Amino acid sequence: QQPVQSPQAVILREGEDAVINCSSSKALYSVHWYRQKHGEAPVFLMILLKGGEQKGHEKISASFNEKKQQSSLYLTASQLSYSGTYFCGTGPGRRALTFGSGTRLQVQP
Amino acid sequence: DAGITQSPRHKVTETGTPVTLRCHQTENHRYMYWYRQDPGHGLRLIHYSYGVKDTDKGEVSDGYSVSRSKTEDFLLTLESATSSQTSVYFCAIGIGNETQYFGPGTRLLVL
Repeated sequence: QQPVQSPQAVILREGEDAVINCSSSKALYSVHWYRQKHGEAPVFLMILLKGGEQKGHEKISASFNEKKQQSSLYLTASQLSYSGTYFCGTGPGRRALTFGSGTRLQVQP
Repeated sequence: DAGITQSPRHKVTETGTPVTLRCHQTENHRYMYWYRQDPGHGLRLIHYSYGVKDTDKGEVSDGYSVSRSKTEDFLLTLESATSSQTSVYFCAIGIGNETQYFGPGTRLLVL
């Protein structure tokens, strides 16, 4: 079953923060976050494996609440380069991922 | 760049014709995947492979078959293309225990 992402779209000014949520009705083993720019392939950002785990990548970090079966991606002090569509991928197992339908993020000057 | 190429990058074909897309990797990874991406649906898994001649179905496998006779190549075949198979197709490889890296994609238009 496809995880649900929210919001579907968000527009920010440079320097503002954003949160993208990903929730699943099924028990999760791992959550993977990707960013895709228009016309390009998805690019891996990070993976979270344990409940309550938090990871960071530059000014982008994420948390994973295994009990609530949800993950959140935090973008701090957004830059123009952060624009794109963000996908979460989830799976009960380690290999087969099910992706959400994406959150479109636009950062304006 | 995880050493993944896809061919062709663009293809236009007619309904009812067979089509084969190729995914090639240079780093000997065991796991490979085929996804399709359509507006509003994100990425959906078609088939995946966990070794030479070892494949399994994903959530949208109807109308597609795959083959993996060599570690480096994973082929996706549309036996008889339909307009509903117009999509962008991404191949991915599994690196380490968890991470998937995607190829550049193939845009397929079925008329």
